[in-house]
Amino acid sequence: DIRMTQSPSSLSASVGARVTITCRASQDISNSLAWFQQKPGRAPKLLLYGASTLESGVPSRFSGSGSGTDYTLTITSLQPDDFATYYCHQYSSTAWTFGQGTKVEIK
Amino acid sequence: QVQLVEFGGGVVQPGRSLRLSCAASGFTFSSYAMHWVRQAPGKGLEWVARISYDGSNKYYADSVQGRFTISRDNSKNTLYLHMSRLRVGDTSVYYCAKGGVISFRGWGQGTLVTVSS
Repeated sequence: DIRMTQSPSSLSASVGARVTITCRASQDISNSLAWFQQKPGRAPKLLLYGASTLESGVPSRFSGSGSGTDYTLTITSLQPDDFATYYCHQYSSTAWTFGQGTKVEIK
Repeated sequence: QVQLVEFGGGVVQPGRSLRLSCAASGFTFSSYAMHWVRQAPGKGLEWVARISYDGSNKYYADSVQGRFTISRDNSKNTLYLHMSRLRVGDTSVYYCAKGGVISFRGWGQGTLVTVSS
C-alpha cells in the first residue's frame, strides 16, 4: 500500500498566519492527491483534489501544490474557522490511504 | 444535495458480527461507487472498503480483508458493510462516503461501533 506521511503532526498558529502542511507519498501518485478538513465530531470535508483543484465553495485562501511524491497544503491567512485537523489522501491506487493528520491549533 | 445516513452501530462482543447500513439520497446512487471509511477514537482516517456502482468490483483494506463484506442494493439506495469476527481494534466511527471520479465529496455523519466484552 502507498504510505502517506504528513508533517507536522500538529502546529499552533495565530489568526492571519500563513500555514503550510506537507504530505509525502511512499511512491509517485501522479497528483492523485486530495486534502480534507475535519472538525471534532464531524465528518471530513473535501477541500482540494488533483493536488491543486479547489472544491466548489472552499475559500480561496486554501491552495495546494506538488507533484510526484511531495505535496503541500497552504492556508494563506488563517481564519478562526480553519482550526481543525487536516488529512491528505491518495487515490492513485485501489488501496486508498490517508495521511495521519495535522492538527492546527490556536496560538 | 448528497445525503448519506449510516445506522446499525452499537456495542458488540469480540468475535461477533454486525451489519452497518447507509441510506443514500440526493444523487443517482446506482451510478456511483461507494466507500466505507473508519476512524478509531482520537485517531486518523482509515479507508475500509469500496464497491463499484453495480457491485461487481470490491476492494478492501488488508486490516479487514476476509472479515468484512461490502455490498449494495441499488433498488433501495442502500450501502452495507457486514462485519464479522470483530476485534477490539475495529472500534471506530464508520462513515460511508460517495465515490466517483472525485471520491469523498459526500460523507455521512458516521455510526459508532464499539467492540468490547
